[in-house]
Amino acid sequence: EVLLVESGGGLVQPGRSLRLSCAASGFTFDDYAMHWVRQAPGKGLEWVSGISWNSGNRVYLDSVRGRFTISRDNAKNSLYLQINSLRAEDMALYYCAKGMRPVPAAPFDYWGQGTLVTVSS
Amino acid sequence: DIQMTQSPSSLSASVGDRVTITCQASQDISNYLNWYQQKPGKAPKLLIYDASNLETGVPSRFSGSGSGTDFTFTISSLQPEDLATYYCQQYDNLPPYTFGQGTKLEIK
Repeated sequence: EVLLVESGGGLVQPGRSLRLSCAASGFTFDDYAMHWVRQAPGKGLEWVSGISWNSGNRVYLDSVRGRFTISRDNAKNSLYLQINSLRAEDMALYYCAKGMRPVPAAPFDYWGQGTLVTVSS
Repeated sequence: DIQMTQSPSSLSASVGDRVTITCQASQDISNYLNWYQQKPGKAPKLLIYDASNLETGVPSRFSGSGSGTDFTFTISSLQPEDLATYYCQQYDNLPPYTFGQGTKLEIK
């Protein structure tokens, strides 16, 4: 059974940093690209970032490029999102999602339950 | 960036009804179009990928069609458990892999 479990969310002040993690199991992690997708309270889905199977291709939403860094550790079956210079508009539930292919451009066939990032002073 | 226009934004239908949602891309995306279902308080679930392929385990009352810029998602006979918000998503080669704004489906 594929399982994606996010962690690392919490209440953070504007301008501070946070590191989200996603622990994956139930599939060969290093065969697939992975993604982060966020959902602000009461809003729709917004793709944030993706990373290829070997970390060779990392892609970002324009509004987070330079502040967010996606990474993965295939030895630990884990995906990460480093978020710096947090803004009010970054407040959302952050989902980890598995791609169907090794490259980022692919459907997302499994999703975690999300970790909530709250930005407030 | 490619924009996805999904309609309607909400709809109400009765059990057994045929339900159709449309999604229009701002440019040609071939068949790089997916449909997701998000039930209240839950994570999204992939239903249809590459415009018309049914994900494993998804009931056959769900279907998708289209190519280029115009796509359609259909539930052939609405069931009570289909209460959810449905999203289209494009994944043309270059990011961002944008979602439509969602269609909230209510059961009458």
